[in-house]
Amino acid sequence: EIVMTQSPATLSVSPGERATLSCRASQSVSFNLAWYQQKPGQAPRLLIYRASTRDTGVPARFSGSGSGTEFTLTISGLQSEDFAVYYCQQYNKWPPPTFGQGTKLEIK
Amino acid sequence: EVQLLESGGGLVQPGGSLRLSCAASGFTFSNYAMSWVRQAPGKGLEWVSTISGNGITTFYADSLEGRFTISRDNSKNTLYLQMNSLRAEDTALYYCAKDKFLEWLLFFDYWGQGSLVTVSS
Repeated sequence: EIVMTQSPATLSVSPGERATLSCRASQSVSFNLAWYQQKPGQAPRLLIYRASTRDTGVPARFSGSGSGTEFTLTISGLQSEDFAVYYCQQYNKWPPPTFGQGTKLEIK
Repeated sequence: EVQLLESGGGLVQPGGSLRLSCAASGFTFSNYAMSWVRQAPGKGLEWVSTISGNGITTFYADSLEGRFTISRDNSKNTLYLQMNSLRAEDTALYYCAKDKFLEWLLFFDYWGQGSLVTVSS
């Protein structure tokens, strides 16, 4: 099973600033990495797949990068609605597809 | 508009059974693999099971130890999860989720609102 590790667990950033979230895989997942956003009381929302492709309707301030074992989700010009928990997920080798433990992005 | 609506959750005693349903609409259900993903209270996401579009192929998390069965009825656009021998550690919000593409890659573009399963005496 591929273990996904996200850092930091909690990230405090001011509105308007940039947030950088990291995700590391225990072995290479190529580009087969997705990012989800989850707000309290809501289901996860797909933001990014194939490491850097934004899903339909996702604002351009969300960008993904990386390959192999190291990935980054960058959110530029943070808006109030962006404060949430973010999960990465690998789908290169399954079963099982595996999620990171999440990064909580909070308002500084 | 794609919609996934789970039902069937509730409170069940350890060792009991429950069947979750997920009614799908807004897309050609039989074309897509479907999955169940759960989230324990205050915890992260855990993949549970996946079934192919035609219902022939299934996968399960090892942690289930054969206690759960995923199935689908494409004539009713409905996904199911039969859960037997439930344990306290199965307590979670269970989401059904749709694969984004026809070729099943196991990442998910639509999720239901979740069905809460609580296992407690």
